[in-house]
Amino acid sequence: GAGVSQTPSNKVTEKGKYVELRCDPISGHTALYWYRQSLGQGPEFLIYFQGTGAADDSGLPNDRFFAVRPEGSVSTLKIQRTERGDSAVYLCASSLTVGRGLLGPDTQYFGPGTRLTVL
Amino acid sequence: QKEVEQNSGPLSVPEGAIASLNCTYSDRGSQSFFWYRQYSGKSPELIMFIYSNGDKEDGRFTAQLNKASQYVSLLIRDSQPSDSATYLCALKGTPLVFGKGTRLSVIA
Repeated sequence: GAGVSQTPSNKVTEKGKYVELRCDPISGHTALYWYRQSLGQGPEFLIYFQGTGAADDSGLPNDRFFAVRPEGSVSTLKIQRTERGDSAVYLCASSLTVGRGLLGPDTQYFGPGTRLTVL
Repeated sequence: QKEVEQNSGPLSVPEGAIASLNCTYSDRGSQSFFWYRQYSGKSPELIMFIYSNGDKEDGRFTAQLNKASQYVSLLIRDSQPSDSATYLCALKGTPLVFGKGTRLSVIA
């Protein structure tokens, strides 16, 4: 079946501009996660959704970052007034559920990422 | 705050050798861990999951967890050039907590 998809794959923008990054999770997955990965670093958590609501947005670096998931499927990460420090790969992941059980329905599957470059 | 530490490498091993990748973590209550493989320019791919003390084997991969010493390791036997990638250790949770990753280079 289809995996997690993200668009665009690459986005180049100028400092101060607004960007939107899209994530389409695996069909039927209720949980969706956004991570940011800078060069030479592991992915860092930004926000996750359970259904339509943001269950935890503690990783968003500041109020320029916002994400929505209005119908509980596709999510959009929005960045206002972009800065050069926002340049990174933005990864989206989804899981069937959220939980603390053993490997199973809460396993996160990653999309290919969007490489954002702010000039 | 829960932290996961990895040596960024690069770790270079000859083809056919055993590659040993290590990870330590700060929270003694942490229960379960993933190992992800990430090829350059690609997204992380899950390769191993471990939650019990001891070893877990899957093909050429063995994950080891020592909760008393708070470390997790991944052994890759008979390393191949195609194993060259960055290996990420992650604490299982919502969300995942990743280490920085260790870059492995297998030399033919």
